[in-house]
Amino acid sequence: SQKIEQNSEALNIQEGKTATLTCNYTNYSPAYLQWYRQDPGRGPVFLLLIRENEKEKRKERLKVTFDTTLKQSLFHITASQPADSATYLCALSTGTASKLTFGTGTRLQVTL
Amino acid sequence: DTAVSQTPKYLVTQMGNDKSIKCEQNLGHDTMYWYKQDSKKFLKIMFSYNNKELIINETVPNRFSPKSPDKAHLNLHINSLELGDSAVYFCASSQRGLADTDTQYFGPGTRLTVL
Repeated sequence: SQKIEQNSEALNIQEGKTATLTCNYTNYSPAYLQWYRQDPGRGPVFLLLIRENEKEKRKERLKVTFDTTLKQSLFHITASQPADSATYLCALSTGTASKLTFGTGTRLQVTL
Repeated sequence: DTAVSQTPKYLVTQMGNDKSIKCEQNLGHDTMYWYKQDSKKFLKIMFSYNNKELIINETVPNRFSPKSPDKAHLNLHINSLELGDSAVYFCASSQRGLADTDTQYFGPGTRLTVL
């Protein structure tokens, strides 16, 4: 069956360190993968999109990699700050009418 | 200024009642969506409309009926509410909805509690 799994429910790191979140998928052949941020009581907000033929994408302190052989995407936040604390969701586009299938999410907590 | 808005933000109701949630987007997007996020925070698509036409209809009980009077609005009507319907419902929109590169813009969510 198709699955999208994010490495852990929660990740705690110290301010200034790099946070690395993992998204693994099985039985999908996504052409695109997206990352969203969700704060408590709010809707998800789009962060980055990466295509299958792109190895890496960057935006300010964010970096996403996409390895279609390993069926994995890594999401990095460098020089993390307490304001980065949120739940991060990966989502696969399955190629049908922009249908997004979301992973289970990882709750990131950045402490001082 | 709000891009995607939903009403109400909170909805508390008794089992068996019928309720509606409304969604509006002012982004000029062609496609709108309804998602359900359960207590474990898993976000799952329910429906999608492109220019008022239903294009995604996931395995959802037929007690749930979406209606799109125009491409800026997508409402969700739920009949005979059950305890398991308690969740946060998110509306979203995207520009075309027919391309994998479309990113989605989410509303603030409606927290439905069925007692």
